[in-house]
Amino acid sequence: GAGVSQSPRYKVAKRGQDVALRCDPISGHVSLFWYQQALGQGPEFLTYFQNEAQLDKSGLPSDRFFAERPEGSVSTLKIQRTQQEDSAVYLCASSISGRDSEQYFGPGTRLTVT
Amino acid sequence: AQSVTQLGSHVSVSEGALVLLRCNYSSSVPPYLFWYVQYPNQGLQLLLKYTSAATLVKGINGFEAEFKKSETSFHLTKPSAHMSDAAEYFCAVRNSGGSNYKLTFGKGTLLTVNP
Repeated sequence: GAGVSQSPRYKVAKRGQDVALRCDPISGHVSLFWYQQALGQGPEFLTYFQNEAQLDKSGLPSDRFFAERPEGSVSTLKIQRTQQEDSAVYLCASSISGRDSEQYFGPGTRLTVT
Repeated sequence: AQSVTQLGSHVSVSEGALVLLRCNYSSSVPPYLFWYVQYPNQGLQLLLKYTSAATLVKGINGFEAEFKKSETSFHLTKPSAHMSDAAEYFCAVRNSGGSNYKLTFGKGTLLTVNP
């Protein structure tokens, strides 16, 4: 079956622009996660949804970052007024449930802020 | 807070040689530990996981890892490297307690396999 998909795969933004990154989780997966992977680093947790509820947003680096999942399926990560330090790969993952089930990762969106 | 340290950002082996990728964790309680592989321009794929059952865990593609509590280690091994094993490998720990859905990753080890 289809895995987690993300779009766009690559995004170049000028500093100060707003961007929106989309994640389509595996159908039926209740939980959805966003991670940020800077160059040469491991992924770092950003936020967690269970259905449409955002249960943990402790990893969002600033109030310029905002995530939503209004219908409990597709999720969008929005970054306002992008800065160069936002350049990274943004990974989305989904799982059947949150706590004990495997997280399946999408291919990521590589964001470059110039 | 839990953390993971991967020793060696880059490991190079010859085809057919033993692969050993090192991972040490810090945790105040028995953790859940994972190894993921990431091929270029792809997402992370789970290789194997330790969930407090058997200390020797077998995964996909011939990889295995041994949980050693006394050494706080979870090293990944494969007896004979194949060219297709060239990728980046991440060790991760899942938090315990209230936020036990959150994965904390190491910085990764890039494995190259020489013919």
